[in-house]
Amino acid sequence: GQNIDQPTEMTATEGAIVQINCTYQTSGFNGLFWYQQHAGEAPTFLSYNVLDGLEEKGRFSSFLSRSKGYSYLLLKELQMKDSASYLCAVRDSDYKLSFGAGTTVTVRA
Amino acid sequence: IAGITQAPTSQILAAGRRMTLRCTQDMRHNAMYWYRQDLGLGLRLIHYSNTAGTTGKGEVPDGYSVSRANTDDFPLTLASAVPSQTSVYFCASSESIGGGHNEQFFGPGTRLTVL
Repeated sequence: GQNIDQPTEMTATEGAIVQINCTYQTSGFNGLFWYQQHAGEAPTFLSYNVLDGLEEKGRFSSFLSRSKGYSYLLLKELQMKDSASYLCAVRDSDYKLSFGAGTTVTVRA
Repeated sequence: IAGITQAPTSQILAAGRRMTLRCTQDMRHNAMYWYRQDLGLGLRLIHYSNTAGTTGKGEVPDGYSVSRANTDDFPLTLASAVPSQTSVYFCASSESIGGGHNEQFFGPGTRLTVL
């Protein structure tokens, strides 16, 4: 089966930086996705990594190490609107996505 | 462009009743998916479809069935609802089911309560 772990909750101050870690053990690997989900809404795509290294997109960056089964999502210059759940998802050898339980980030003023 | 729509938005259902959750996409995506989201468990794949006319089982298919008569529609049916099927159901689609960027786009969800 698939095993994807990420912290349940994180709290940070507006303007700060938060790093959300994700470790995975899956049957094959064909890419890792991060999604953002505000309370009561649908998940929306944030980032995609398939090769090792850092992908930067504005205030958000995502890192992947395939040999370590590890990724992180870095949120910089936090804003109140960044309060949401962040979902780590791994695409396996059958091209199906397996999701972690999500990390709820609370941004405080 | 609506993207993906789901209906109903929410529903309270008596146990044993039959229920169909509707999903329609207008992006001409080949692949479609049904997930359920439960607190502490994350999104779990119920069924998927690579293309019109084909369907497959995901991680938690028992008690659910799907059909894919055309590209746009992917209904999920609960033949005889049970309380453990109380959940938020998300429909999603992607251009294909293969590799590459190929992100999934999610509908707004259906909140289902089975009593």
